[in-house]
Amino acid sequence: GDSVTQKEGLVTLTEGLPVMLNCTYQTIYSNAFLFWYVHYLNESPRLLLKSSTDNKRTEHQGFHATLHKSSSSFHLQKSSAQLSDSALYYCALMATGGNNKLTFGQGTVLSVIP
Amino acid sequence: GGIITQTPKFLIGQEGQKLTLKCQQNFNHDTMYWYRQDSGKGLRLIYYSITENDLQKGDLSEGYDASREKKSSFSLTVTSAQKNEMAVFLCASSIGGPSAETLYFGSGTRLTVL
Repeated sequence: GDSVTQKEGLVTLTEGLPVMLNCTYQTIYSNAFLFWYVHYLNESPRLLLKSSTDNKRTEHQGFHATLHKSSSSFHLQKSSAQLSDSALYYCALMATGGNNKLTFGQGTVLSVIP
Repeated sequence: GGIITQTPKFLIGQEGQKLTLKCQQNFNHDTMYWYRQDSGKGLRLIYYSITENDLQKGDLSEGYDASREKKSSFSLTVTSAQKNEMAVFLCASSIGGPSAETLYFGSGTRLTVL
C-alpha cells in the first residue's frame, strides 16, 4: 500500500537558520497529491501547503516545497526559522487510483530555539 | 468559516470500559474522519464516512465502532479501553468524497485509561 516516510522525529534549530523537513513517499499510482499539515500546540492541525504538479514549487506562509516524482520526495523548506514555527509537521499522500485515502507520515516535531 | 467541535476534550476511563467520543461540524461537509494520533506513529485512520449513515473502515478500526446518524455528526466508540492507553483522537471533515484533499480538523479528545 501507500506509505509516507518522515525520517526525522525531532528537528531542533536555532532561530534564523534554514528549515528542511524531509518527506519521501511510495505509491504504485502515478497521480500523487502531496500535502504538509502543521499542528501547533493547543490548536487543530491544518493544511500548510499541497501539490500534485511535478517539479513546481508551492509556497505558503514563508514555507515552500517542490514535488519531485523522480525521487518521490516533497521536502518542506523555509529560508529562516522563527520561534513561532515550532510545531508538529505531517507530510501526507493521496494517490488517486487507489482508495483515495490520505496517508500520513510519522510526523516531525520542529523545535526552534533562540 | 466553519468549525469542528469535539467532546469531551479530555476523557479518562477504566480498563474494559466502553467510551464514546463525539464530533460535530458546521461546514456542511459530506465526509468525516476519525484519526488516532500517537507520538512517532503519525495520524492513523480509524473510520471515515462519506455521507450520513455510511461507514468505512480505516487501517486501525479493530477495537472501535463508529456512527454517522446525521450529516453534521460522527461519533467514535472505544469498545473496550486498554489499560495504560493514552492517545489523542482527531476528528476531521472534507468537502466531498474521500478524494477531496483538504481536511479540516477538530482540536482533539485526549484519552487516558487508568
